[in-house]
Formats: sequence, structure tokens, C-alpha cells
Amino acid sequence: EDKVVQSPLSLVVHEGDTVTLNCSYEVTNFRSLLWYKQEKKAPTFLFMLTSSGIEKKSGRLSSILDKKELFSILNITATQTGDSAVYLCAEYNNNDMRFGAGTRLTVKP
Amino acid sequence: NAGVTQTPKFQVLKTGQSMTLQCAQDMNHNSMYWYRQDPGMGLRLIYYSASEGTTDKGEVPNGYNVSRLNKREFSLRLESAAPSQTSVYFCASRTTSGGVRELFFGEGSRLTVL
Repeated sequence: EDKVVQSPLSLVVHEGDTVTLNCSYEVTNFRSLLWYKQEKKAPTFLFMLTSSGIEKKSGRLSSILDKKELFSILNITATQTGDSAVYLCAEYNNNDMRFGAGTRLTVKP
Repeated sequence: NAGVTQTPKFQVLKTGQSMTLQCAQDMNHNSMYWYRQDPGMGLRLIYYSASEGTTDKGEVPNGYNVSRLNKREFSLRLESAAPSQTSVYFCASRTTSGGVRELFFGEGSRLTVL
């Protein structure tokens, strides 16, 4: 069965640090890799990656996909306490969307 | 601008009771999904409906049934609730036009089975 594995499972940093979150996948019929941020309630969409090597950026967050090695990373630079959340990655194949267990990021002041 | 609406937001059941979680979206999306989220396990797919009139099992379908009532509504039923079904349930939807699009989530339904 297709698997999405995220690491680390949890991470504690201080404001201003840079973090890298990892997501590896083993899928057939892969189409896209998506990143979500989940604070207290529903996940909110961050990025969708379909092609290898093309970096997506939004402010201090960026993400890239490597389809040959089957992984993606999410970078957050100059972290702020508001970045504290669970970050989820998900792979979309031809039908459904499967999520990893998430990385819980805590940013301390 | 409602998006995806789930009801109820909270529910406490006794073992063996039944209940239905309701989900409706107003974005004209074709595909709808039910996930459960447990601590440390991310979101696990229960059932999905790729389009009106179709439903398929996800990773953890046992103990659940679904109905795609129409394009807007996708309900999840627990026929005989068990403590292992204590979880937060999320409904989500997405469009299928224009290639892959992200999921939009409801705010979740917290279910406790005693």
C-alpha cells in the first residue's frame, strides 16, 4: 500500500531558526505532493508540487519535490511563534489523497 | 462563503449506538472525502467519493458506511460505534477540473465513544 512518511515527528526550535521538514513517499500513479499546515482546527493548504526541481515559495516558506528520489522538503526560514503547528504532507494519485503522520513544529520565543 | 460544513461539531456516544456525520459543500466540487485524525497518526482516509454516485474505500473503512446523497452532500455513518472510533473526523472536498487541486476541509467533528 502506498505510504507517506514524514520526519521528524516533532521539532522544537527558537524564533529566528530555519527548519527543514521531510516527506518521503512510495506511490504508484503519483500525480502531486501537497503540504498543509494545521493549527487548532482544519488543515490549510500551503503548496502543491507536481514537477521535480521547481521550488514553490510563499514568504518565508518554500518547498521542492524530487520525483526521482521520491521525497519533498518544506523549509521555513526565520521562524516565528505563529509557525507553530502540525505540518502535513499528502500524495495524490489517480483517485485519493493520502497523508503522512505530520511533523509537530514548536517555535519558542 | 461557507465552504465545507460538518455537523455535529461534537458528539458523545455509548458503545453500540449509531450516528451519522453530515457534510455539505457549496463549491460545486466533484470529489468528497472523509478522514479521521488520531494523535500521532495524521489524517487517515476512511471513504471517498470521486464523483456523484460513486464511493470507494480508503485506508480504514471498517465500521463505517457512506452515502453521496447528491453533489453537495456526503455523509458518514457509524452503525455500531466502538471506543476505537473515538477520533476527530474531517470532511473535505475538491474540484476535479483543471488538473489536481487541493482539498478544502471542514472544521472537524470530535466524536467520543464511551
